[in-house]
Amino acid sequence: GAVVSQHPSRVICKSGTSVKIECRSLDFQATTMFWYRQFPKQSLMLMATSNEGSKATYEQGVEKDKFLINHASLTLSTLTVTSAHPEDSSFYICSASIRNTGELFFGEGSRLTVL
Amino acid sequence: AQSVTQPDIHITVSEGASLELRCNYSYGATPYLFWYVQSPGQGLQLLLKYFSGDTLVQGIKGFEAEFKRSQSSFNLRKPSVHWSDAAEYFCAVGDQAGTALIFGKGTTLSVSS
Repeated sequence: GAVVSQHPSRVICKSGTSVKIECRSLDFQATTMFWYRQFPKQSLMLMATSNEGSKATYEQGVEKDKFLINHASLTLSTLTVTSAHPEDSSFYICSASIRNTGELFFGEGSRLTVL
Repeated sequence: AQSVTQPDIHITVSEGASLELRCNYSYGATPYLFWYVQSPGQGLQLLLKYFSGDTLVQGIKGFEAEFKRSQSSFNLRKPSVHWSDAAEYFCAVGDQAGTALIFGKGTTLSVSS
């Protein structure tokens, strides 16, 4: 099946710094990419939807200035956590939708720890 | 509002025994239904999906699920569980292919020997 790659898989940063997480569709063009957040032992919560070349659509309660999403190409979307705080520590997962079929594939996730 | 309910937070099954994980959804339109499995610290792996047609869907690793519109359910089953099946299982629903999914809270499956 199609592959979605996230990088880094784990990142530790200091409070107040910014962290960028990349989501790449390796062998297909992704019309749309979704970013989810998963707290320990909990479900995945949709943060935002990004379409190539346009601004991301954020879910209610998600701070767009804190979680910057860029979808510059059909194979790459990035999530930047700005001025990170310990409460931003979480598992972030992206998914990508294949352009022609709409089928969804998930990345392996990125675990962010803010000290 | 759209929602997915997985009533069982944690289930323990003996190895070799059968398994059924429950999933109920609330959705206005015809739903696209999915089951994913997640191992600790890992991403999601698609087990199976239902878009239309035969309501009994076969997936990978010997899993199957049955869509029952009258009960708004999409329960996951496996006739004989293996120790490697221990993981977190998520049911999810979407309104069409390629849109964001709404996930249930997940069911943790433990397998005893």
